[in-house]
Amino acid sequence: DADVTQTPRNRITKTGKRIMLECSQTKGHDRMYWYRQDPGLGLQLIYYSFDVKDINKGEISDGYSVSRQAQAKFSLSLESAIPNQTALYFCATSETTGLGADTQYFGPGTRLTVL
Amino acid sequence: AQSVTQLDSQVPVFEEAPVELRCNYSSSVSVYLFWYVQYPNQGLQLLLKYLSGSTLVKGINGFEAEFNKSQTSFHLRKPSVHISDTAEYFCAVSVYAGNMLTFGGGTRLMVKP
Repeated sequence: DADVTQTPRNRITKTGKRIMLECSQTKGHDRMYWYRQDPGLGLQLIYYSFDVKDINKGEISDGYSVSRQAQAKFSLSLESAIPNQTALYFCATSETTGLGADTQYFGPGTRLTVL
Repeated sequence: AQSVTQLDSQVPVFEEAPVELRCNYSSSVSVYLFWYVQYPNQGLQLLLKYLSGSTLVKGINGFEAEFNKSQTSFHLRKPSVHISDTAEYFCAVSVYAGNMLTFGGGTRLMVKP
């Protein structure tokens, strides 16, 4: 089984709808991240969480919210989806080593289309 | 703030030929450097990373990268590519004080038979 799983893998929704993307990990890592990928822009950080009670905004958090329900679960919500949120979304995890160079482990991604 | 520029959005190459994927970064503080690979329909996985010490870093699948501080570059190389190396490659940096990754725009490597 995969260490980092994302559900759903694909989703088509309409403008104005609320949608939740879920991420679960079995790696036992304390840190979790949400990124979006757009062609030519690489990955941009939406939110990150260092533990269940520590959640922080990334560079493009507007229009998104997150919930860290447990160490292993980190959900991303779009309260009112808009077409420019159409993208590939990735969840990632890492273990704190204190070195600032921790490897991040990525899920398979969720392809979201907002019509 | 730091930034990463991958100079080529696409690199076509024939099988068994050498390849270099270029990455330049900008930062006012010291950084760690990473290369991640994304195979079709998959998430990213770490190829290699530079922490300190030797400027030549070897990674998985025969890839290596060289850190050049004076040129603020971290180019990725492979002496002989295979069809299976077809993927998108991302260069990324993080600063010593945290673990936030800043990614470049990606380079699509297309290996042709």
